[in-house]
Amino acid sequence: AQSVSQHNHHVILSEAASLELGCNYSYGGTVNLFWYVQYPGQHLQLLLKYFSGDPLVKGIKGFEAEFIKSKFSFNLRKPSVQWSDTAEYFCAVKNGATNKLIFGTGTLLAVQP
Amino acid sequence: GAGVSQTPSNKVTEKGKYVELRCDPISGHTALYWYRQSLGQGPEFLIYFQGTGAADDSGLPNDRFFAVRPEGSVSTLKIQRTERGDSAVYLCASSLLTGEGTGELFFGEGSRLTVL
Repeated sequence: AQSVSQHNHHVILSEAASLELGCNYSYGGTVNLFWYVQYPGQHLQLLLKYFSGDPLVKGIKGFEAEFIKSKFSFNLRKPSVQWSDTAEYFCAVKNGATNKLIFGTGTLLAVQP
Repeated sequence: GAGVSQTPSNKVTEKGKYVELRCDPISGHTALYWYRQSLGQGPEFLIYFQGTGAADDSGLPNDRFFAVRPEGSVSTLKIQRTERGDSAVYLCASSLLTGEGTGELFFGEGSRLTVL
């Protein structure tokens, strides 16, 4: 069965620190990959997505993610975080056969000013 | 409206009661999804509609849960004989296109269900 693993459940960083959140999935076929963000008190919003082509994807607010097919990974990165990046981050995977988007358990990021 | 609208935003009910949660998707979006999110967990897939029909209901936990989308727009998630374990935030999302290479989901604010 398709699944998504996010290994970091809770991350605390100081402003200007670099961020990398891990995401691994299990599915052998073609996948679409997503990172969603949920700011405090707000709904889930798309941060970035990968469908095909360049495996390095750039999203909003300076975030990027790299799809490494051989590692079944889609890690999220940001070179310098800001206090406003405090939020919960969800990795999600959809395979073309089912159109069902499966989410990881999320990573809660707290950025200290 | 501009986004996905869910009502009610909060619902408190007693164990054993019947509950309906409504989702109004973005106009023109053909796909509609329901998810359930418990504290400390990611959204858990329940069901997905393509038009009026349920294309995948494999995530519905048992036969107490049912969802409809009779006209291909608004959807209602129905929960019979509610249990305390049903307490969660129920999320609705819609998507303009489905299929490989498409399908960004736009989420609503959610309906928080508390079963006492």
